[in-house]
Amino acid sequence: DAGITQSPRYKITETGRQVTLMCHQTWSHSYMFWYRQDLGHGLRLIYYSAAADITDKGEVPDGYVVSRSKTENFPLTLESATRSQTSVYFCASRGLAGGVKPNEQFFGPGTRLTVL
Amino acid sequence: AQTVTQSQPEMSVQEAETVTLSCTYDTSESDYYLFWYKQPPSRQMILVIRQEAYKQQNATENRFSVNFQKAAKSFSLKISDSQLGDAAMYFCAYRSPQMVYGGSQGNLIFGKGTKLSVKP
Repeated sequence: DAGITQSPRYKITETGRQVTLMCHQTWSHSYMFWYRQDLGHGLRLIYYSAAADITDKGEVPDGYVVSRSKTENFPLTLESATRSQTSVYFCASRGLAGGVKPNEQFFGPGTRLTVL
Repeated sequence: AQTVTQSQPEMSVQEAETVTLSCTYDTSESDYYLFWYKQPPSRQMILVIRQEAYKQQNATENRFSVNFQKAAKSFSLKISDSQLGDAAMYFCAYRSPQMVYGGSQGNLIFGKGTKLSVKP
């Protein structure tokens, strides 16, 4: 089915471990984004990508790494997880101007990550 | 840098009544987009309504409407005939005009949200 999916939906890990959160979209959208949602902060941008092999930092990038070798995938890696990275992570995508619904950003269902 | 402020952490409304959620933003840009997203307990982010800054007419989607005051940088959401299913977190968001590549423009800047409760 078309859409944007995230995996896993829930993850518990330990401090210091590497964790990768996956994001996949089927619309061939150019833009993809990673946000984290914490109580009292709303959603904050971690990283974004304007196209395959083009990524850039957002508001809170420290401790995270992204890659985008294919248009449809945008994984987010926590290289050495810390308790402060316990959060809900949302992936989103949006098409270019001129495409279908160019102004609408579509969100995945979110991944709840707990770092013990 | 642009900022979005939602000054009401929590709101409550009686079923079938009308409620207005407030949002203000700060920007030096003349062209931009504004959005209201709903997040129910399922966590899914659902677009409720959007407004293009160049449009003077306020956007409307069924029971949801906005009051867009560009000079005042205000973007409030009005929910009419409130239903139990409207209970959720509501986020106001700002976006700069889209660029093809590069820059931080194009991502959404969110307020901290307003939790709306609907009383039966």
